Amino acid sequence: AQTVTQSQPEMSVQEAETVTLSCTYDTSESDYYLFWYKQPPSRQMILVIRQEAYKQQNATENRFSVNFQKAAKSFSLKISDSQLGDAAMYFCAYRRLISNFGNEKLTFGTGTRLTIIP
Amino acid sequence: AAGVIQSPRHLIKEKRETATLKCYPIPRHDTVYWYQQGPGQDPQFLISFYEKMQSDKGSIPDRFSAQQFSDYHSELNMSSLELGDSALYFCASSLGGTGDDEQYFGPGTRLTVT
Repeated sequence: AQTVTQSQPEMSVQEAETVTLSCTYDTSESDYYLFWYKQPPSRQMILVIRQEAYKQQNATENRFSVNFQKAAKSFSLKISDSQLGDAAMYFCAYRRLISNFGNEKLTFGTGTRLTIIP
Repeated sequence: AAGVIQSPRHLIKEKRETATLKCYPIPRHDTVYWYQQGPGQDPQFLISFYEKMQSDKGSIPDRFSAQQFSDYHSELNMSSLELGDSALYFCASSLGGTGDDEQYFGPGTRLTVT
């Protein structure tokens, strides 16, 4: 079974600074997806960024970027120029890739609560 | 753009009662997933449907059942409710069959069992 581990229950960062959230996972699969989801106080699950395991290039989305180390099974999220609106719970998630049907479940880590200090 | 709709948004039930949660996927999405998120916990996968057939099953109690209907909406039926069933229940939908689909989450139904 796949497992996702987030070892930082809480993190804080000064506004406008950079912060990195850590995530490790365990799988025997070679093809899969990794995601970072943001859950603000509204509890809505918002996709921040995704990485396909077969791609060597790290994904980026504006101020959000990942450091994907496949051999180490590590998938960290870097948030640059942190803003007050970035305050939320961040979940790392894994999804197996199936070639015929894209109906695989997400397996989440336990989350990291990010606080932005004004 | 249309999003995933869940109803009701809030539900209060007493122990041993029954609850039905509904999920309306994004138009043309044929896959629905249900997740349960307890207080202070990460979302846990319950069950999924693809083209009206159950496609995967997670840690769903036997007291719970679900189905996907011909219009692709899904319902999660929960019977003999327990205090521990109090949680946020997410539905997500995607377009299956491509292997490259994205799961879009609804706003969730907050169930409180008293």
